[in-house]
Amino acid sequence: AQSVSQHNHHVILSEAASLELGCNYSYGGTVNLFWYVQYPGQHLQLLLKYFSGDPLVKGIKGFEAEFIKSKFSFNLRKPSVQWSDTAEYFCAVKTGANNLFFGTGTRLTVIP
Amino acid sequence: EADIYQTPRYLVIGTGKKITLECSQTMGHDKMYWYQQDPGMELHLIHYSYGVNSTEKGDLSSESTVSRIRTEHFPLTLESARPSHTSQYLCASSHGGDPSYNEQFFGPGTRLTVL
Repeated sequence: AQSVSQHNHHVILSEAASLELGCNYSYGGTVNLFWYVQYPGQHLQLLLKYFSGDPLVKGIKGFEAEFIKSKFSFNLRKPSVQWSDTAEYFCAVKTGANNLFFGTGTRLTVIP
Repeated sequence: EADIYQTPRYLVIGTGKKITLECSQTMGHDKMYWYQQDPGMELHLIHYSYGVNSTEKGDLSSESTVSRIRTEHFPLTLESARPSHTSQYLCASSHGGDPSYNEQFFGPGTRLTVL
């Protein structure tokens, strides 16, 4: 069965630090990959997505993610985090069907 | 404004009660989904629908049922709530057609506690 692993459950950074959140999935076929973010008290919203083409994907708010097929990974990065990036981040994978498989999420706390 | 709504946001209820969690979207999306999320765990798909009169069970077995009589409305019902149903329930919707537009839009969630 497909699974999505997010190894970092809680990450604490100071403002201006660089961020990388890991995401690995287990599925050998074609995948679509997503990062969702949930700010405190708000809905889950899409941060970025990969369907095809350039494996380096740019998202909103300065986030980017790189799809490395050989490593089954889709890590999220941001060069310099801000206090407003404090949120929970979910990686998700869509396989041939229309269903999304989510990781357990990573809580990011940015200290001013 | 196009959005997806869930009511109630919070619900505390006794064992054995029948409850319906409401989900509505004003984006004209064909596809709708219900996820269940326990604290610190993944979101698990419990039901989905590809359109009116279409409902399917998701990856996680659930005692709940759903209906899709109108495009914009996808309620979830528990006939007899139990403490094991305590969880957060998230509704989502997405466009049909080209998969590159198939990102899912989520509602705010309903946090259900069954005593």
